[in-house]
Amino acid sequence: NAGVTQTPKFQVLKTGQSMTLQCAQDMNHNSMYWYRQDPGMGLRLIYYSASEGTTDKGEVPNGYNVSRLNKREFSLRLESAAPSQTSVYFCASSVTGDGGYTFGSGTRLTVV
Amino acid sequence: GENVEQHPSTLSVQEGDSAVIKCTYSDSASNYFPWYKQELGKRPQLIIDIRSNVGEKKDQRIAVTLNKTAKHFSLHITETQPEDSAVYFCAANPGGTSYGKLTFGQGTILTVHP
Repeated sequence: NAGVTQTPKFQVLKTGQSMTLQCAQDMNHNSMYWYRQDPGMGLRLIYYSASEGTTDKGEVPNGYNVSRLNKREFSLRLESAAPSQTSVYFCASSVTGDGGYTFGSGTRLTVV
Repeated sequence: GENVEQHPSTLSVQEGDSAVIKCTYSDSASNYFPWYKQELGKRPQLIIDIRSNVGEKKDQRIAVTLNKTAKHFSLHITETQPEDSAVYFCAANPGGTSYGKLTFGQGTILTVHP
């Protein structure tokens, strides 16, 4: 039972490049989330998926897109990376009706 | 939208002392308030949570209190140990959403000195 698995763990991009962050959970959770973590700013919600087939914007969605591929997988795409997107990205999942999150191990992204 | 304010941003205590971290929230519809601990370079992990139908919850050395009228909740750690050193985040669910969307506070860096 792996919980929430994120790939890659580290990535360096050049400005304007694109990439997709992958997230998969094996806990049969309905809801999945993408957060970014920046020093002094806590965790900010980028996008979330309350259930399979639905996605919604969070607090900081600009520059990102998401896909809920199936119940297990929720990917985050940066179409044209910018230095402001340098951050640590966390995927999380939860059971509907119970807000307790299980987080992935994070992706440290640097855009130069 | 929901705004969650967390204080202090840093907290330094001696081993064995108590530590208290406070959070306020703005959305009166919020009804779920978890606390997460994040060790350096690791993922956040849920340590305790409270729902709006209770005022206090304890789990060994940690406790959380909730004042819905004042819209604030606090984390209390007693008999602190060096392994309690970490960043602690509070959170609330805006609109009382059932599917778990959370707004987080800015975090508190707790340092416990041996």
